[in-house]
Amino acid sequence: AQSVTQLGSHVSVSEGALVLLRCNYSSSVPPYLFWYVQYPNQGLQLLLKYTSAATLVKGINGFEAEFKKSETSFHLTKPSAHMSDAAEYFCAVSDGGSQGNLIFGKGTKLSVKP
Amino acid sequence: SQTIHQWPATLVQPVGSPLSLECTVEGTSNPNLYWYRQAAGRGLQLLFYSVGIGQISSEVPQNLSASRPQDRQFILSSKKLLLSDSGFYLCAWSVQPAVYGYTFGSGTRLTVV
Repeated sequence: AQSVTQLGSHVSVSEGALVLLRCNYSSSVPPYLFWYVQYPNQGLQLLLKYTSAATLVKGINGFEAEFKKSETSFHLTKPSAHMSDAAEYFCAVSDGGSQGNLIFGKGTKLSVKP
Repeated sequence: SQTIHQWPATLVQPVGSPLSLECTVEGTSNPNLYWYRQAAGRGLQLLFYSVGIGQISSEVPQNLSASRPQDRQFILSSKKLLLSDSGFYLCAWSVQPAVYGYTFGSGTRLTVV
């Protein structure tokens, strides 16, 4: 069965510092992987997705993620954090079933300190 | 372009009262539709999903129900709300989840008092 684990429920960085949010997956089939961002009291917004093309995926707002099959990881990074990046981030994997429904991690709340 | 509408944005309801949350999608046909709930500290919980009119799959047994009376309409209901039903409810749609992921609505904040 497919699953996804996000390491760290809370991450705090200083403005201008590197952002690294960790996601590891378990999948019995080639995975489709996604990162979403949620600002307070809003719905989730797609940041980027990996669907078996390039292993380095670029998304919106300067975020990118690298698919590493050997490490079963899909970590999200941004070189320089902005205050506006403070939000909750969710990693997701397709469940491999006929519908391809997504399985979400528990989320990582990112705080950015001035 | 496709859009998803979810309402109301906030709702305060007494324990034991009924609930009806509505979600509609425009600009696509035969989408998969989903209801999720976020309770404090519990992440995203899939409640129901639907692959077509009248077809509902329930993921979590509870006092909530869902219906899909039209192709692009998804309704979440309860006959009698519990305090534990409080949370942030999200509707989402997709035509090929594994390829495109989901598109989420803006959510409904439900507080049961």
